[in-house]
Amino acid sequence: GENVEQHPSTLSVQEGDSAVIKCTYSDSASNYFPWYKQELGKGPQLIIDIRSNVGEKKDQRIAVTLNKTAKHFSLHITETQPEDSAVYFCAASGGSYIPTFGRGTSLIVHP
Amino acid sequence: KAGVTQTPRYLIKTRGQQVTLSCSPISGHRSVSWYQQTPGQGLQFLFEYFSETQRNKGNFPGRFSGRQFSNSRSEMNVSTLELGDSALYLCASSSQGAQNGELFFGEGSRLTVL
Repeated sequence: GENVEQHPSTLSVQEGDSAVIKCTYSDSASNYFPWYKQELGKGPQLIIDIRSNVGEKKDQRIAVTLNKTAKHFSLHITETQPEDSAVYFCAASGGSYIPTFGRGTSLIVHP
Repeated sequence: KAGVTQTPRYLIKTRGQQVTLSCSPISGHRSVSWYQQTPGQGLQFLFEYFSETQRNKGNFPGRFSGRQFSNSRSEMNVSTLELGDSALYLCASSSQGAQNGELFFGEGSRLTVL
């Protein structure tokens, strides 16, 4: 089955800095790569996603890049704000493949 | 548009008991999938139902089961509870299916097994 590795497990930044979270996946058949943000006491919420026919996608301060050859994708958050503090999960799925999630990254943005 | 609703939000059971959790998806979504979230294992897929049929199943023992009703509401059941079943159980609904599109998660049911 699919295996998704996510790093780092914890990321601490100062407000205004950039944050990068990286994920690798094992199955080249995966073609859908979403990123979810989970705030304390809430369920995960999609913040951005990318499909395998696209190399990069951007939405305001958030961007995702995908390298199919290397089987890795990354989340980039620029100009971080305290409200960005949360746990972020990457996932890989597609076709008949069930969603497989990374272990999560706890992002802490210090004011 | 109402979001995904899970009940109950919190529950405490003892070993050997069984539990049933409920999930009401977003109106119009026919896919409901369930996940177990624990600090050690992260988010793990349990199963997905689409139009009342189980479409996919994760690597969990047969003690974990589910069903979906004609109105797309779903329930999951865990029988013969073990201490290791303590977790946050999340359900998610989707219009495209769990594999191919955005998942809309509920806030979860936190199960504690004593």
